[in-house]
Amino acid sequence: GNSVTQMEGPVTLSEEAFLTINCTYTATGYPSLFWYVQYPGEGLQLLLKATKADDKGSNKGFEATYRKETTSFHLEKGSVQVSDSAVYFCALRGLDSNYQLIWGAGTKLIIKP
Amino acid sequence: DTEVTQTPKHLVMGMTNKKSLKCEQHMGHRAMYWYKQKAKKPPELMFVYSYEKLSINESVPSRFSPECPNSSLLNLHLHALQPEDSALYLCASSQEINLVGTEAFFGQGTRLTVV
Repeated sequence: GNSVTQMEGPVTLSEEAFLTINCTYTATGYPSLFWYVQYPGEGLQLLLKATKADDKGSNKGFEATYRKETTSFHLEKGSVQVSDSAVYFCALRGLDSNYQLIWGAGTKLIIKP
Repeated sequence: DTEVTQTPKHLVMGMTNKKSLKCEQHMGHRAMYWYKQKAKKPPELMFVYSYEKLSINESVPSRFSPECPNSSLLNLHLHALQPEDSALYLCASSQEINLVGTEAFFGQGTRLTVV
């Protein structure tokens, strides 16, 4: 079945550091891939998405590229801010999951000033 | 308007109480969802409605009863809950149930505490 694996957290960085949060997936066919962010005490917000291989999703300085050859969708940002502190979830949606979102475990990101 | 609105934001209820959570969206989405999220965990799917009909029930106990009165509204009726049901309950919507490339829009959630 479909599954998503994210790197264990928490990830602690200093402000202006480069961020990578790894996400790999298992799925047949051509799922769509998503990154959601959850700020403390809030619901989930879509950060970015990609719907086919080699697509790059981007938003608010974050980027992720759909790599079918490595089944990955790593999240990157060139210079993080304290306000980026949150939990980041990688997710996929595909035929094999009955079109429902399959979630990674989440990665907590802590940015120190 | 890309908002999903949930009320109330916080709810404390006793194990013998009956309460309801409400969710509203005005994006014309035909799929609506209830999720349960425990601390430090990803959301767990509970129910999916498609065109106001229950499409998926992820073996949720009957003390949770969903209702979709119209295409914009989704309710979750709660009765005789247990303390372990305390969690963040999230409502979401998406354009259709079976469009792989479309995202789900989430509300801010209801923080439920069962005492």
